[in-house]
Amino acid sequence: DTAVSQTPKYLVTQMGNDKSIKCEQNLGHDTMYWYKQDSKKFLKIMFSYNNKELIINETVPNRFSPKSPDKAHLNLHINSLELGDSAVYFCASSQLRQGKGGYTFGSGTRLTVV
Amino acid sequence: DQQVKQNSPSLSVQEGRISILNCDYTNSMFDYFLWYKKYPAEGPTFLISISSIKDKNEDGRFTVFLNKSAKHLSLHIVPSQPGDSAVYFCAASGRYGGSQGNLIFGKGTKLSVKP
Repeated sequence: DTAVSQTPKYLVTQMGNDKSIKCEQNLGHDTMYWYKQDSKKFLKIMFSYNNKELIINETVPNRFSPKSPDKAHLNLHINSLELGDSAVYFCASSQLRQGKGGYTFGSGTRLTVV
Repeated sequence: DQQVKQNSPSLSVQEGRISILNCDYTNSMFDYFLWYKKYPAEGPTFLISISSIKDKNEDGRFTVFLNKSAKHLSLHIVPSQPGDSAVYFCAASGRYGGSQGNLIFGKGTKLSVKP
């Protein structure tokens, strides 16, 4: 029974399209995150949501927008996709902020923009 | 601006020997440090952590050492096993350091344990 699940696992799309990646966690955690792993392999935080409230946005272009219908879901919407958006996107969740006890990550979504 | 640095992109170790993975950080406000392990096509999984009030934490074959004065931590795996072959990420967080308490990750070190 997957704790943090994200779909799709692979996504290939053309420049200019709009796409969404879904994430769900069944751990009862109160905070969810989106991380981006770029070609240089850095894992960089994009957003975090705590109790349905956006609490951080790390200089991410406004083409990216997180949507949280409830505390078990944090979806990522991307408008007008660009080549540089190609990366692996990881969703994660935790019970407390500051990483205490660690984050639980999904298996990632590999986005390729052509 | 890398606040968490893993300067060795890869490490190769013989099975049964010790693996030592290193990590340096620049932000003195970090107060909690973690190691994650990642297999291909999977998300990172939490391995072990240490609070800044400690200098050592041990869990089975895994031990993390923290040297606050040097802003350095290391992960020791003894004995190393082929199943330990993965990418290991160092991460740090702090109430006032780095993204308001969210985890800041290093670039990762790919460990290969040879039979």
